[in-house]
Amino acid sequence: SQELEQSPQSLIVQEGKNLTINCTSSKTLYGLYWYKQKYGEGLIFLMMLQKGGEEKSHEKITAKLDEKKQQSSLHITASQPSHAGIYLCGAVYIGQNFVFGPGTRLSVLP
Amino acid sequence: EAQVTQNPRYLITVTGKKLTVTCSQNMNHEYMSWYRQDPGLGLRQIYYSMNVEVTDKGDVPEGYKVSRKEKRNFPLILESPSPNQTSLYFCASSVLQGTTEAFFGQGTRLTVV
Repeated sequence: SQELEQSPQSLIVQEGKNLTINCTSSKTLYGLYWYKQKYGEGLIFLMMLQKGGEEKSHEKITAKLDEKKQQSSLHITASQPSHAGIYLCGAVYIGQNFVFGPGTRLSVLP
Repeated sequence: EAQVTQNPRYLITVTGKKLTVTCSQNMNHEYMSWYRQDPGLGLRQIYYSMNVEVTDKGDVPEGYKVSRKEKRNFPLILESPSPNQTSLYFCASSVLQGTTEAFFGQGTRLTVV
């Protein structure tokens, strides 16, 4: 989707390291979703953010939506091999279908 | 267990042979949709349905049909598959469009030769 960009495209980290994935929107978001996909499998819902400045955490994963609601970051603390996969942000815009970002491929080396 | 079930998981077919990929959800969700995922293009929405008998085109509807005769089922129909429809397909459902968590099926890997 051209509306959503993700960075980096891919990331390789050593187990135990922290990392951040960014999702940037070309316009104001109505809602921002984070999903994780294991290679070739279905998507697993992680978190949904709707309010500017909102922050949510689930286990070692924290996601934030900036005040202007145009950028979100996903932060993983003390990464583990189980965190490996593709992280996708998804968004809802007024009057449009749900769109996904291109994804960030994460590898965690033991 | 809340889930979205797609069948088959893998399918190899020949050009022009009609096929249907089934999708069923057990959560009484109103909103269902189909996506295809291709390298470099990400996930793109094919069709969606806001409720029974209500369907609409997504971003890449050409070559596909859908139906929503019951709330739980949302099959994807390829009347005359072509090689450019080789892809990984996902079905998803949610209570409402874009306001709540969407549940995804495990995916159907389709190859058209």
